This record gives sequence, C-alpha cells and structure tokens, in this order.
Amino acid sequence: DAKTTQPPSMDCAEGRAANLPCNHSTISGNEYVYWYRQIHSQGPQYIIHGLKNNETNEMASLIITEDRKSSTLILPHATLRDTAVYYCIVRGYSSASKIIFGSGTRLSIRP
Amino acid sequence: DAGVIQSPRHEVTEMGQEVTLRCKPISGHDYLFWYRQTMMRGLELLIYFNNNVPIDDSGMPEDRFSAKMPNASFSTLKIQPSEPRDSAVYFCASSLLGAAGANVLTFGAGSRLTVL
Repeated sequence: DAKTTQPPSMDCAEGRAANLPCNHSTISGNEYVYWYRQIHSQGPQYIIHGLKNNETNEMASLIITEDRKSSTLILPHATLRDTAVYYCIVRGYSSASKIIFGSGTRLSIRP
Repeated sequence: DAGVIQSPRHEVTEMGQEVTLRCKPISGHDYLFWYRQTMMRGLELLIYFNNNVPIDDSGMPEDRFSAKMPNASFSTLKIQPSEPRDSAVYFCASSLLGAAGANVLTFGAGSRLTVL
C-alpha cells in the first residue's frame, strides 16, 4: 500500500475553508484515497473517499490531482467542532491490503 | 443500526491478569479490524478478519495477544498476561467491501485499558 505524507499540524479561522493536503506519490492505479478524522478520545470517523474524480459529500470535498499523487481535503466552513486529527490513507482493493493510519494532521480551528 | 459496539469501555487491571475486550460489528459487515492507540505509537493495526477468518495478524505485539472471531457478530481480543505497557485505547472497526472495491471503516468508541 502507498504511504502518505501530511503536515503534522495546521490551523484555520472559524468560518473559513480548511484545506488539508496529503501527498501519496507512490499511489497505484487501484488504490483509493480515504480521509478519516479523530476527535479527542473518540474513534476515528470516516469523512470521504475517492479514486480519480473529485468527490463531495455533506462533510467535505476531496480534490485529487490528475496524476493522483496528491489530494486535498476541504472543509468549506470550518467550525470549532472540526478540531481533530485528520488522517489520509490509501488502500487498494485486495482483502490483503491493510488500512494503515499514519500520524495525520492536527487541525486547530481558531474562534 | 447501533454501530460497532465495544465492551468494556474502561478496564483497570493489575499486571499479570487476563484481559478480554469484546466487539460486536455492524450487521452485514464482512471485515473486522482491531487497532491499538497510544500517544507514542499512534493508531496501530493489530489484526483483521474477513468473513471471520484472520487475514493478517502481523501487528499483534507478541504471543500474549490473541484474537478470535467465532461468528460474524462477535470478536474478542485477549491479553494474557497483561503488562503495564499494554495500557492503551483499543478500537474495533468493521466494514463492508463495496462493489467498486472501496472499504469504509466504522469504528467503535474504544476500550480504554489501564494495566497497573
């Protein structure tokens, strides 16, 4: 499975868009990009995933570059409740493909 | 659905005691994962099952750890004997492999283990 690189921390003003980058330069053709977040002391929560196309749901948007070597998670209007650690993961189809969490990005939202 | 159910939520035990953590996955899910989280090591994958069969247990720290999934609705993670360095939050997660190959995990609330 491809490895990912994320900045250890970021901050964003409340009400502004939070853009969290992820580098996955070794991603292969059948690997999805997943984003999860973990709010303090809770289990990780799924946000969004994508393969090639950009994706949007009620929580966030996922922008994947054309070469698929990087992606950006966008929280359009960040609130204090979005303060969490955000994990970017790539994983392929195979049942033997592990889901490995890296160290993620700690996002702080400023009031 | 009640989501992934883990028990106990908190466990405090003494070194050398046996600890059993339990997990009920979401009905219909065909994958089950056990993770451990500490400040020092982050979220570590211990083992995962597909259709009740262990697929990869390479993350299990040592022989003191064992995991079973006797049926599709129940799994246990056992530590015997427990040691202080096993203190951590243990998460269970389940998922259903989608038709297009996506595999989205739903996590339980975790079991916080403290070994004195």
